[in-house]
Amino acid sequence: GAVVSQHPSWVICKSGTSVKIECRSLDFQATTMFWYRQFPKQSLMLMATSNEGSKATYEQGVEKDKFLINHASLTLSTLTVTSAHPEDSSFYICSARTGGAETQYFGPGTRLLVL
Amino acid sequence: AQSVTQLDSQVPVFEEAPVELRCNYSSSVSVYLFWYVQYPNQGLQLLLKYLSGSTLVKGINGFEAEFNKSQTSFHLRKPSVHISDTAEYFCAVSLGAAGNKLTFGGGTRVLVKP
Repeated sequence: GAVVSQHPSWVICKSGTSVKIECRSLDFQATTMFWYRQFPKQSLMLMATSNEGSKATYEQGVEKDKFLINHASLTLSTLTVTSAHPEDSSFYICSARTGGAETQYFGPGTRLLVL
Repeated sequence: AQSVTQLDSQVPVFEEAPVELRCNYSSSVSVYLFWYVQYPNQGLQLLLKYLSGSTLVKGINGFEAEFNKSQTSFHLRKPSVHISDTAEYFCAVSLGAAGNKLTFGGGTRVLVKP
């Protein structure tokens, strides 16, 4: 149980285009989902927290207009990187948690390369 | 705010030898503690967690960790490692109440040598 999937697993796009990444909880209802960014050989940096049906809460320094997060259902959250640039190239990981639970379950990650 | 320090960025170890990964945290309130493992190009997998109760926690793949409140530590151990244990290990804390976000340490890269 507690499986989280991400799609796509990797994506290459041109500078200036937008990219959407999906995060799904496959066997549980995720009232809260988190989006992280990880640079090579570094730890995870929390970008934002999203609760189903409400606006995401962004961490300091994360541009909410650039990283659009939608958590429209209890099993799906999406992260859209708008007008992507090479510096947005990174490994993006989502996690999910049920309401009142203390454990986050992580997706396999999406590697984004912006050319 | 809480913080997490993993004292070793890299730990080389021979196959079948024991390994200990150190994790210290700082927080003014009670915390939940977690260890996650990340294999190359993959997400994080939960190894074990401490929420309350017994301070010795056993996890998957033969790992265990001990919560030491006085030393604010949560070190991870395995008595005998395998080549397949080569990975990145992350210690994380959240405030001792449901609904709070995780704070991660910098990670420790374990390289198991034959």
